[in-house]
Amino acid sequence: GDSVTQMEGPVTLSEEAFLTINCTYTATGYPSLFWYVQYPGEGLQLLLKATKADDKGSNKGFEATYRKETTSFHLDKGSVQVSDSAVYFCALDDYKLSFGAGTTVTVRA
Amino acid sequence: EADIYQTPRYLVIGTGKKITLECSQTMGHDKMYWYQQDPGMELHLIHYSYGVNSTEKGDLSSESTVSRIRTEHFPLTLESARPSHTSQYLCASSEQITDTQYFGPGTRLTVL
Repeated sequence: GDSVTQMEGPVTLSEEAFLTINCTYTATGYPSLFWYVQYPGEGLQLLLKATKADDKGSNKGFEATYRKETTSFHLDKGSVQVSDSAVYFCALDDYKLSFGAGTTVTVRA
Repeated sequence: EADIYQTPRYLVIGTGKKITLECSQTMGHDKMYWYQQDPGMELHLIHYSYGVNSTEKGDLSSESTVSRIRTEHFPLTLESARPSHTSQYLCASSEQITDTQYFGPGTRLTVL
């Protein structure tokens, strides 16, 4: 079945550092790909998405490109802030949403 | 801003109690979902609904039940809570199956 493999955490960074969270997927069809973020004590929020190969999703300085050839959707941010501390989930949506295990990111001032 | 609500936000109860976790959305979405989130943060789909009077079990077996009598309301019930039910429960909705899902803030349930 469809599945998502996400880089394990936790990840601890200093402010203004570069962040990459790896995500690869397995799917039989042509799924949409998502990154969701969960701040402490809250539900999940959509961060960005891409619906077809080579699409780039971007939001709040985060970017991810749908790479069909490598079945990947890595999340990048060039300069993180303390407010980016959260759990990040990669997900694919073929006929239902399948989540990765989540990566906890902590940014220190 | 998504308009999906869950109550209560936190609940601590004793073993054997019957509980209902409420989820409501004001977006008119047909599709609604319940996820269980374990301490390691991984999410597991336990129930979903494609519309009124439609309910299906998800990937993770759960002793809970759901109902969908109204479009906006998708409550989850545990007839007899046990400590193994201690978890965070997240409700979500979407307009279409492959659309963005909007999540509520979650209910953190502790069963003593």
